Amino acid sequence: EDQVTQSPEALRLQEGESSSLNCSYTVSGLRGLFWYRQDPGKGPEFLFTLYSAGEEKEKERLKATLTKKESFLHITAPKPEDSATYLCAVQSPSGSRLTFGEGTQLTVNP
Amino acid sequence: NAGVMQNPRHLVRRRGQEARLRCSPMKGHSHVYWYRQLPEEGLKFMVYLQKENIIDESGMPKERFSAEFPKEGPSILRIQQVVRGDSAAYFCASSPLQDPGTEAFFGQGTRLTVV
Repeated sequence: EDQVTQSPEALRLQEGESSSLNCSYTVSGLRGLFWYRQDPGKGPEFLFTLYSAGEEKEKERLKATLTKKESFLHITAPKPEDSATYLCAVQSPSGSRLTFGEGTQLTVNP
Repeated sequence: NAGVMQNPRHLVRRRGQEARLRCSPMKGHSHVYWYRQLPEEGLKFMVYLQKENIIDESGMPKERFSAEFPKEGPSILRIQQVVRGDSAAYFCASSPLQDPGTEAFFGQGTRLTVV
């Protein structure tokens, strides 16, 4: 059974204070690892898909990296508008489902 | 290009009633997925459908829940005889026909409250 564990559960940063979120996974054949952002009362917003170890993707202040066992979401010089819950998910080989972690709730204080 | 559309956004049902949740995928997308998010929990897969076919329903409760994606019209998630434990946010996602393994885009969800 696919498993995804995210840490920390919650993270408070000061504006401009860079940090990383962790996503550890076990899966029988990784088809893709996804990062989403979810704001309260909204649906998950797609950020990145990573397919193989060593791959990196960037979008504004966010950078996602992937190894064979975990992924990191690096946030550089965050702003208050980056406050949200960040979700990590892995996709099964059949492509029929995403298995999500519990998320990391990020708060960036001005 | 409109995103994934779900309606209603909020739904209140009394115990024992039926709930019908609708999802229109993004244009050009033929794969639909339903997920449930219980309070203080992560998103859990329920069912994966293509037009007129249920591909994977391994995450669906065995009783009271059903899903369909007809040839015409939106996908429907149906919950019969709702109970308080069904209160949750239900999210639909869609992905393209040509690449079901690529990004799945989510709707804004339907928040079901059972009173």
